Amino acid sequence: TQLLEQSPQFLSIQEGENLTVYCNSSSVFSSLQWYRQEPGEGPVLLVTVVTGGEVKKLKRLTFQFGDARKDSSLHITAAQPGDTGLYLCAGARTSGSRLTFGEGTQLTVNP
Amino acid sequence: EAGVAQSPRYKIIEKRQSVAFWCNPISGHATLYWYQQILGQGPKLLIQFQNNGVVDDSQLPKDRFSAERLKGVDSTLKIQPAKLEDSAVYLCASSLDGGASDTQYFGPGTRLTVL
Repeated sequence: TQLLEQSPQFLSIQEGENLTVYCNSSSVFSSLQWYRQEPGEGPVLLVTVVTGGEVKKLKRLTFQFGDARKDSSLHITAAQPGDTGLYLCAGARTSGSRLTFGEGTQLTVNP
Repeated sequence: EAGVAQSPRYKIIEKRQSVAFWCNPISGHATLYWYQQILGQGPKLLIQFQNNGVVDDSQLPKDRFSAERLKGVDSTLKIQPAKLEDSAVYLCASSLDGGASDTQYFGPGTRLTVL
């Protein structure tokens, strides 16, 4: 059973388009993180959200944590080819507990 | 600042052989993690060290996997004997102290292929 479900699994869009990827669970998380992973490299942390309803912005990326702390979304505005990569969400059930990763969304932005 | 170093980057072995991976964390980081990432999946934690002590190894298949961090710095992960399903990328990560707000920094991984 996958604790964190990510959708869509694959997404291919044109440069300049907007997109949203989702991370859903039936469980409550103390915190949730988003990572981007490029081929041949390890994941790189983009953001951590800890408060229900929290919204964080990182340039063209907007992250939202659901009110019930069971889900999260990542919205990218005006996507660029450099945004291509595997986007992973990861949650911690309690403070300091191990991270559980979703299976990722593979994003391809075509020029 | 140097990142997390891992070697080798690639390894191909036959089933039932043994293999070892090495990780050098970021200097000063007390916490070290080993993850297994199977193709098409997210990373799964195998073991977490705090200095040279094991914090969490509940998902480590202990009949064939072992890991050590003897001096609280470098770490090795060993598989003996390897099975076909062990084909994956093995990621090492480190963090300052493993706290709730701590950031994990990942190495580039070792891609293992078991034939």
